[in-house]
Amino acid sequence: DAGITQSPRHKVTETGTPVTLRCHQTENHRYMYWYRQDPGHGLRLIHYSYGVKDTDKGEVSDGYSVSRSKTEDFLLTLESATSSQTSVYFCAISEGQGGYTGELFFGEGSRLTVL
Amino acid sequence: AQKITQTQPGMFVQEKEAVTLDCTYDTSDQSYGLFWYKQPSSGEMIFLIYQGSYDEQNATEGRYSLNFQKARKSANLVISASQLGDSAMYFCAMREERSFQKLVFGTGTRLLVSP
Repeated sequence: DAGITQSPRHKVTETGTPVTLRCHQTENHRYMYWYRQDPGHGLRLIHYSYGVKDTDKGEVSDGYSVSRSKTEDFLLTLESATSSQTSVYFCAISEGQGGYTGELFFGEGSRLTVL
Repeated sequence: AQKITQTQPGMFVQEKEAVTLDCTYDTSDQSYGLFWYKQPSSGEMIFLIYQGSYDEQNATEGRYSLNFQKARKSANLVISASQLGDSAMYFCAMREERSFQKLVFGTGTRLLVSP
């Protein structure tokens, strides 16, 4: 199993509060991703990173920011949480080397509830 | 426009029978990859199988095979000899050459295997 740890695994917060989710990998993979999973929508990409301090937006990036100061850590921040951000958040990593398939390895997910 | 379409919200199959989960995709890229992931009720995302757009043969991994029809832009997952443990959500996903290692997911199909 890929070494990916997400924290916290569960969080309940109130509207308007800041929230940070952490993804930590031990695989030294270059690419890291944050997805959210909602019923009827599958998984949607929020932000991704292709190296330390190199990040870009996904399809549902509004209201989220990310940072990657070390290869192993990718943080997702909700500056002011809203109820629409209640979701399950998955971190994923990818090796990104030539000759590979590009499959993602996922963390166990973080369930966030915004009241 | 929806890049990955899974039209079957739910599927039922009896144990030991084969089942096909549908997936169609939309891309103008010549080079792309197609993936299937399984998500059991425990929530983790498990990579099942990969098909490259230039692969001439359909991918197979144990009881899983990918029925790749390039002209139809379909990438159906076939599970042979279904087992109770195959009950899960199944997601089809695509990576395009130009999309810098990002995977786009479909909305998923829930498979229920009955004894």
